[in-house]
Amino acid sequence: SQTIHQWPATLVQPVGSPLSLECTVEGTSNPNLYWYRQAAGRGLQLLFYSIGIDQISSEVPQNLSASRPQDRQFILSSKKLLLSDSGFYLCAWSDRRMQETQYFGPGTRLLVL
Amino acid sequence: QKEVEQNSGPLSVPEGAIASLNCTYSDRVSQSFFWYRQYSGKSPELIMSIYSNGDKEDGRFTAQLNKASQYVSLLIRDSQPSDSATYLCAAWDYGNNRLAFGKGNQVVVIP
Repeated sequence: SQTIHQWPATLVQPVGSPLSLECTVEGTSNPNLYWYRQAAGRGLQLLFYSIGIDQISSEVPQNLSASRPQDRQFILSSKKLLLSDSGFYLCAWSDRRMQETQYFGPGTRLLVL
Repeated sequence: QKEVEQNSGPLSVPEGAIASLNCTYSDRVSQSFFWYRQYSGKSPELIMSIYSNGDKEDGRFTAQLNKASQYVSLLIRDSQPSDSATYLCAAWDYGNNRLAFGKGNQVVVIP
């Protein structure tokens, strides 16, 4: 069966510091991968999605970036965090043939102070 | 109109009762719909998907899709305290190639 991992689980970072969140998927090949953010009291916001290695689309222009160095690894980064980057970051995967059916990882809770 | 809307406030139901959640959608999304359950502090978990008009049952959960009226519902029968969570409605937006989510409805089951 497929499993999706994210780390770290929680993170407290000062404003202006860099960020690297990692997501890996097991038990499937060539998945579509997604990064979402869920801010307090708000809905899920799609940040990036990837249909393959080095194939990444950005949904929202901001100070975040994403990379996919391996088929089942997706990384979310920032060079300088802002207060507004605080939130719950969720990685999700879907099968290529059923991209609408998405499964979420456990998430990373980020607090920028 | 947003692609997917969930307008009801928190829903409190007594244990054993039926919880009913509704979601409306715009023409901009497709006919693929999903319900996710999200416990406080946890990530969303996919619990139901529905693609055809009518009802789909899975255990105590029933999803209902009405294309004519553009709404999708989730019924939770014999509600249990463990059903207390936020339920997110989602629909596939073919135009933008993404899942469109509603803001969610909180359900509280009272023992």
